[in-house]
This record gives sequence, C-alpha cells and structure tokens, in this order.
Amino acid sequence: GEDVEQSLFLSVREGDSSVINCTYTDSSSTYLYWYKQEPGAGLQLLTYIFSNMDMKQDQRLTVLLNKKDKHLSLRIADTQTGDSAIYFCAELTSNTGKLIFGQGTTLQVKP
Amino acid sequence: AAGVIQSPRHLIKEKRETATLKCYPIPRHDTVYWYQQGPGQDPQFLISFYEKMQSDKGSIPDRFSAQQFSDYHSELNMSSLELGDSALYFCASSFHRTASTDTQYFGPGTRLTVL
Repeated sequence: GEDVEQSLFLSVREGDSSVINCTYTDSSSTYLYWYKQEPGAGLQLLTYIFSNMDMKQDQRLTVLLNKKDKHLSLRIADTQTGDSAIYFCAELTSNTGKLIFGQGTTLQVKP
Repeated sequence: AAGVIQSPRHLIKEKRETATLKCYPIPRHDTVYWYQQGPGQDPQFLISFYEKMQSDKGSIPDRFSAQQFSDYHSELNMSSLELGDSALYFCASSFHRTASTDTQYFGPGTRLTVL
C-alpha cells in the first residue's frame, strides 16, 4: 500500500545545513512535495519534484530524489530560526489526485 | 496572489451537533480536496471533487458529506459530531485534475473543536 515515512525530529544550529529525509513506497508516484507547517498555521508548499528528476534546486532548498531506493530529501542551506517548523513530504498517487503525507519532521533551529 | 479561503477559521461545537465548513478555491482552480489533521498527526485525505463531481474518497466517515458547487466552492458537512472529530480541516485546490503537476495549494484550515 501507500506509505510515507519521515524521521520525527531534527535539531540544527543557525547557519548550518538541515537535511530532512523521507521514504515512500508507491513506485508509481508522479510528483513528490515538501510542505512547511508553522505552529497553528496551514500547509505552505515549499517545492516539488517530478519523479523522473534526480535533483531540484530553489534558492536555499535542494531536493534530491533516489527513485530506485524511493528516498527523498530536502536540504535547507544556511538554516535560520524562521525555518523552525514541521516539514511534511507528500507523494501524489498516480491513479488518484490525493496526497499521502509523511508524519512530519519537526525542525528545531537553535540560535 | 489569491489563495484558498476557508471559513470559518475556528469553530466550536457540542457533541452531536452539526457543522458546515466552507472552502473557496483559488480562481480558475477546478479541483478541491479536503484533508483532516488531528493533533500531532499528518493530514489525512477525506474527499475530492473535480468539476463538481466527486473524484476520490478517502477515510471520510459516513456522518460527513461534501459537495462542490457551480462556482467551484465546496462545503464539508459534518453531522453527529464526536469528540474525535476535533481537528484542523484543510481544503486544497488545484487546476485541472489531469494536468501534469496537479499541485495542491492549501488553505489556512478550519480548527474544529468538539466539546
């Protein structure tokens, strides 16, 4: 079945790079997304990658996709305190339009 | 740029009452999705509509129903509310279900508290 897994917590120091990892099971996923959720707020789309791509870079964000291992990562360069939030990876299932979310990774950025 | 609008933002109801949540998609978006996020949980897909027809159904209780109207806004109707229905309810919209990206943009959510 469809399943998305993430590590639950990551703590980094301001200025360091953060790497948030995600694994998924549906090999037919077409798109994979990263969303950011601040406390009590909605889901903000950060970036997405098409399943036939290996990498996508968008300013401080780099997404790496290893389709063979079904592994997705989000790297945030020069992490700032404002990056503290929960980060969800999500896969778009190929035969429906619904998103399957991981459990979310809480990123804590220490000054 | 216009975003997805949800109303109300907060709602407090008693057990066994009913609630109606509204969602106004981004202009020209024709697909609406509803998700439920319990405390400390990831969002779970409930139901979606494309061009006013139900396109997919997830873990939506029979007590809940939803529809999409001619102006593409959607309403989620919840009856016989239970304590476990307390959650953040998100609506998302996208353009054209069959388009290549199908990227979903989320609204700010409605926080429902059932007492």
